[in-house]
Amino acid sequence: AQSVAQPEDQVNVAEGNPLTVKCTYSVSGNPYLFWYVQYPNRGLQFLLKYITGDNLVKGSYGFEAEFNKSQTSFHLKKPSALVSDSALYFCAVRALNDYKLSFGAGTTVTVRA
Amino acid sequence: NAGVTQTPKFQVLKTGQSMTLQCAQDMNHEYMSWYRQDPGMGLRLIHYSVGAGITDQGEVPNGYNVSRSTTEDFPLRLLSAAPSQTSVYFCASSQNTGELFFGEGSRLTVL
Repeated sequence: AQSVAQPEDQVNVAEGNPLTVKCTYSVSGNPYLFWYVQYPNRGLQFLLKYITGDNLVKGSYGFEAEFNKSQTSFHLKKPSALVSDSALYFCAVRALNDYKLSFGAGTTVTVRA
Repeated sequence: NAGVTQTPKFQVLKTGQSMTLQCAQDMNHEYMSWYRQDPGMGLRLIHYSVGAGITDQGEVPNGYNVSRSTTEDFPLRLLSAAPSQTSVYFCASSQNTGELFFGEGSRLTVL
């Protein structure tokens, strides 16, 4: 069975500081990894994905994520956070050639001005 | 582009009532799925479909039914609503094993 762990329920940072949201995963075989963001009372929006290739993946709104196979991690990062980045972030994993996507519990990010 | 459209956005039911959440996508995606979102639990997969006429259970299928008669539509039926089914429901679709595209969600309250 595949699973995702997001060890922090909440992350608080000051605007302009680096932002990191942690994610570790468990899956049989090679993983497809995703990050989504959810703003209040909205659906989930896709940020970025790792399929294969370069371990550093760049996505929307200045976010990036680093795939680390040995640590089974896929942490989301942004060099300089904005107040508008305050939202709920989900990490997700699926196995190669499997449609089913499993989500972590989510991390609430609050960026203070 | 409409993307993934869910209706209704809000619904209140009494215990034992039945209802259908509608989901339609206009991207010609083969894969469609239903998730429920509960605080602190992330999104949990209810049912999914890899094409018209093909459906399968996710991790929390009990009390829900689906069908996929066309590529575009994937309705979720609550057979006899229970308070434990109070949740926010999301429909999503994708092409092959790419990223999921989500609807705006349907907030269901069961009294």
